[in-house]
Amino acid sequence: GAVVSQHPSRVICKSGTSVKIECRSLDFQATTMFWYRQFPKQSLMLMATSNEGSKATYEQGVEKDKFLINHASLTLSTLTVTSAHPEDSSFYICSARAVAGGKAFFGQGTRLTVV
Amino acid sequence: EDKVVQSPLSLVVHEGDTVTLNCSYEVTNFRSLLWYKQEKKAPTFLFMLTSSGIEKKSGRLSSILDKKELSSILNITATQTGDSAIYLCAVEPNTGTASKLTFGTGTRLQVTL
Repeated sequence: GAVVSQHPSRVICKSGTSVKIECRSLDFQATTMFWYRQFPKQSLMLMATSNEGSKATYEQGVEKDKFLINHASLTLSTLTVTSAHPEDSSFYICSARAVAGGKAFFGQGTRLTVV
Repeated sequence: EDKVVQSPLSLVVHEGDTVTLNCSYEVTNFRSLLWYKQEKKAPTFLFMLTSSGIEKKSGRLSSILDKKELSSILNITATQTGDSAIYLCAVEPNTGTASKLTFGTGTRLQVTL
């Protein structure tokens, strides 16, 4: 199956700092990448959808200035959590899809802890 | 707004049992329904069902899509402890390149010895 690599898998940062999470599709070109957030024992909450070369589309309630998404190439998207707060602590997961209607594959996830 | 409801929320069975997980959905202009298995980390893909492929099988797992009832089931036969996980159902509408998946809350399956 297709491989999506997410890095780092775990990060601890101080309040007020920024953290960048990378999502790479290793063996296919991802025209669309999705960023999710998951709280314990809850389902995936879509934060934003990004298409290569264009601005991300954020879901309602997600602050675009806080969660910066860049999809600069067909194999890489980044999520930067700016001015991190303890409430931002969560499990962040990306997924990538080659074409609309195709299977979406997930990265391994990043557990962010803000102290 | 698209909606996915899964049932039961959680389930405990003994090894060797057969389980059926349910997923019902509401989506404008249905394109596909997907099942994922999530253990400790990110979800792994199981099946994708579309109008042209309403039944899929892989080993002990199988899934059927009922477009009339707007639902799908995931069957696991002869369950093993390694099947313990959260099973997620998602639907994708046919809205072009920007289409996105809507996930249900998942069914937490625990298989005991």
